[in-house]
Amino acid sequence: TQTVSQSDAHVTVFEGDSVELRCNYSYGGSIYLSWYIQHHGRGLQFLLKYYSGNPVVQGVNGFEAEFSKSDSSFHLRKASVHWSDSAVYFCAARITGNTRKLIFGLGTTLQVQP
Amino acid sequence: EAAVTQSPRNKVAVTGGKVTLSCNQTNNHNNMYWYRQDTGHGLRLIHYSYGAGSTEKGDIPDGYKASRPSQENFSLILELATPSQTSVYFCASGGQGEGERLFFGHGTKLSVL
Repeated sequence: TQTVSQSDAHVTVFEGDSVELRCNYSYGGSIYLSWYIQHHGRGLQFLLKYYSGNPVVQGVNGFEAEFSKSDSSFHLRKASVHWSDSAVYFCAARITGNTRKLIFGLGTTLQVQP
Repeated sequence: EAAVTQSPRNKVAVTGGKVTLSCNQTNNHNNMYWYRQDTGHGLRLIHYSYGAGSTEKGDIPDGYKASRPSQENFSLILELATPSQTSVYFCASGGQGEGERLFFGHGTKLSVL
């Protein structure tokens, strides 16, 4: 069974701070990993993804994520957050193969204070 | 820019009534999905489709039907709506080979009274 867990339900930081949002997955095989952002009242928007190669992947708006097979993790980071980064962030995973289903974590609400 | 449009944006239904949520995509994507989002549960997959004429059960299909009459359109049908189906529903599309990147609609807020 494939699962995605996001250990922090809420994270609060100040504008200009760095932030790391944590994501861990459980699956022993090849896996696609991605992050999505959801602003209040909106649909989810894709931020970045990883499948193979360089374990650090760059996304939009200064976000990056690092894959670690040994830790089964795909944490999202940003060096300097802006108030507009306040949103809910979802980690998602899909195993390779016939299924096209994405499994989402429960999300982390990031609040950026001025 | 990929576009997924859901209608209606808001819906109030009565228990036992029939509800149809519609989704249209102009991305020419083969794959389409219906999720519901609830506090404490994140996004859960209800039904999905690989192309026109196909529908597949997701993780929580009970009480829902889906219809994919064309590449562009994917509907979610609640034949007998119940209060437990009060939720926010999201439609998404994804291209062949890009199943891990989805494009989402803005969501439909459904209240079943």
